[in-house]
Amino acid sequence: DAKTTQPPSMDCAEGRAANLPCNHSTISGNEYVYWYRQIHSQGPQYIIHGLKNNETNEMASLIITEDRKSSTLILPHATLRDTAVYYCIVRVYNTNAGKSTFGDGTTLTVKP
Amino acid sequence: DTAVSQTPKYLVTQMGNDKSIKCEQNLGHDTMYWYKQDSKKFLKIMFSYNNKELIINETVPNRFSPKSPDKAHLNLHINSLELGDSAVYFCASSRTDNTEAFFGQGTRLTVV
Repeated sequence: DAKTTQPPSMDCAEGRAANLPCNHSTISGNEYVYWYRQIHSQGPQYIIHGLKNNETNEMASLIITEDRKSSTLILPHATLRDTAVYYCIVRVYNTNAGKSTFGDGTTLTVKP
Repeated sequence: DTAVSQTPKYLVTQMGNDKSIKCEQNLGHDTMYWYKQDSKKFLKIMFSYNNKELIINETVPNRFSPKSPDKAHLNLHINSLELGDSAVYFCASSRTDNTEAFFGQGTRLTVV
């Protein structure tokens, strides 16, 4: 699996958009970008994934650059409950969905 | 209903003891996993079982032995517990044709 690089921490004001960047410059053509988050003392939670097109679901949006070397997870209206560690993972689609290499992630703190 | 449930949630035990952590999923998934999250919050996969067969065994001491009596259960037995085994252990499950993994709430193991 390709290595990812994320900033260690970010702050965001409640109600504003949180934009979390991820670099994955060695991503292979068959690898997808996945995002998980881990709220304190809970198990990781799947957020979204994508290959090359931008994706949106009820939780977030994922913007992947045209060269696929980086991506941004967007939480459109961050709430205090979005405070968590966010993990960007790249892996081949549908191969052992749970076998993910989690890096250090980004600790997002949403402030009132 | 809890999708992936682990028991116990907390486990405190002495060095040298043998203990088990149980995991059950009611999602009908055919692949289950065990992850270890150490004190530095680094999340690392330990084992993966698909249809009751071991398919991933990362570099884990053989004191750790997963057991899968059926597709819905993957238990983790640990022999001769050591101080360094103290961590949070997460169980997860996925379908082989699905993209996301579902994690349990974790078992915090403390070896004293």
